[in-house]
Amino acid sequence: EPEVTQTPSHQVTQMGQEVILRCVPISNHLYFYWYRQILGQKVEFLVSFYNNEISEKSEIFDDQFSVERPDGSNFTLKIRSTKLEDSAMYFCASKEQAMNTEAFFGQGTRLTVV
Amino acid sequence: DAKTTQPPSMDCAEGRAANLPCNHSTISGNEYVYWYRQIHSQGPQYIIHGLKNNETNEMASLIITEDRKSSTLILPHATLRDTAVYYCPGTKAAGNKLTFGGGTRVLVKP
Repeated sequence: EPEVTQTPSHQVTQMGQEVILRCVPISNHLYFYWYRQILGQKVEFLVSFYNNEISEKSEIFDDQFSVERPDGSNFTLKIRSTKLEDSAMYFCASKEQAMNTEAFFGQGTRLTVV
Repeated sequence: DAKTTQPPSMDCAEGRAANLPCNHSTISGNEYVYWYRQIHSQGPQYIIHGLKNNETNEMASLIITEDRKSSTLILPHATLRDTAVYYCPGTKAAGNKLTFGGGTRVLVKP
């Protein structure tokens, strides 16, 4: 069964450092998403991406965040200058179509900012 | 964005059916009802979705009320591996993001 893969599974970084979280969506999918989940809290939407541009972003997704699909297969989330409060599980998801299809989620990257 | 409400927790006996309610009174006509679950801190796992009609797949059944303001997810024969947090996230017709609430924490007991 096709799956969304995320690397690394766990990343520890110092406050103020840049991190890049990587995702390989399912190959024929066109819609891509990042979500995050702070420990013990809800899964929160960060950003959606379609046709090589951001289609929607949340208030969380400020200037410190960026997304890119550099080579047609990878989908990355960059945090330029990490803060302690960025510590969370980050989930990538992809969908084949806009409507009437399910989103497939990766297993997540646990980001710990120290 | 469509908002949903669910009971925070529910226990279920192994082998029995689990019926999980969701209230989505603000859903609009072209927004689908989706159900996902999350086991520990793994990524949310898709279960089932529907628009108006009841749906069934190998994991579960989905019953949507005629006015579409609520739905029920049915796990027909719960197993210990079904212990998870179950979500009926709000959806948005444009953009298709999922808005997760607190979900229902289901504990399947032997």
